[in-house]
Amino acid sequence: EPEVTQTPSHQVTQMGQEVILRCVPISNHLYFYWYRQILGQKVEFLVSFYNNEISEKSEIFDDQFSVERPDGSNFTLKIRSTKLEDSAMYFCASSLGQLNQPQHFGDGTRLSIL
Amino acid sequence: AQSVTQLGSHVSVSEGALVLLRCNYSSSVPPYLFWYVQYPNQGLQLLLKYTSAATLVKGINGFEAEFKKSETSFHLTKPSAHMSDAAEYFCAVSYTGRRALTFGSGTRLQVQP
Repeated sequence: EPEVTQTPSHQVTQMGQEVILRCVPISNHLYFYWYRQILGQKVEFLVSFYNNEISEKSEIFDDQFSVERPDGSNFTLKIRSTKLEDSAMYFCASSLGQLNQPQHFGDGTRLSIL
Repeated sequence: AQSVTQLGSHVSVSEGALVLLRCNYSSSVPPYLFWYVQYPNQGLQLLLKYTSAATLVKGINGFEAEFKKSETSFHLTKPSAHMSDAAEYFCAVSYTGRRALTFGSGTRLQVQP
């Protein structure tokens, strides 16, 4: 069964540094998403992406965040200047076009900011 | 604000006992509803979804959930728990016109031998 893959599984970065989290969505999916889960808290929506544009974003997704689909397979989340509070598990997901289609998640990248 | 409530952050059952995990949503318009399971060090795996076709939804691993509009609930059940069901379970909702999933806080299921 096709799956969403995320790399790396664990990223350790110094505060203030830029970090890029990578995802390969399921190949025939059209919508791509990033979520995060701070330790002990809920899974929170960050952003959705369709047709090379952000289609929806949350208030968490401020100017330090950006997303990109640099080629036909990868989908990336960039955090420009990391803060301690960015430490979390970041999940990528993808879905087909219809609203009622479920999102399929990757195993996540654990981001640790020192 | 639209929200999802999962009652009980931890549920413990004996192997072979009924599993009941509760989820309530806040919306006058029925949203799309999903249950996901997360095993340790893994991502979120879809268990089942409700998309208005039938109120009783069957999912993987013997789980099912019933949508009750009058109670704004979508509780997850399994008749007989197995040790391998021990995991964290998340109820998630996408509200009308939006793709963003709103997650509940999760329920950790423990299965005792």
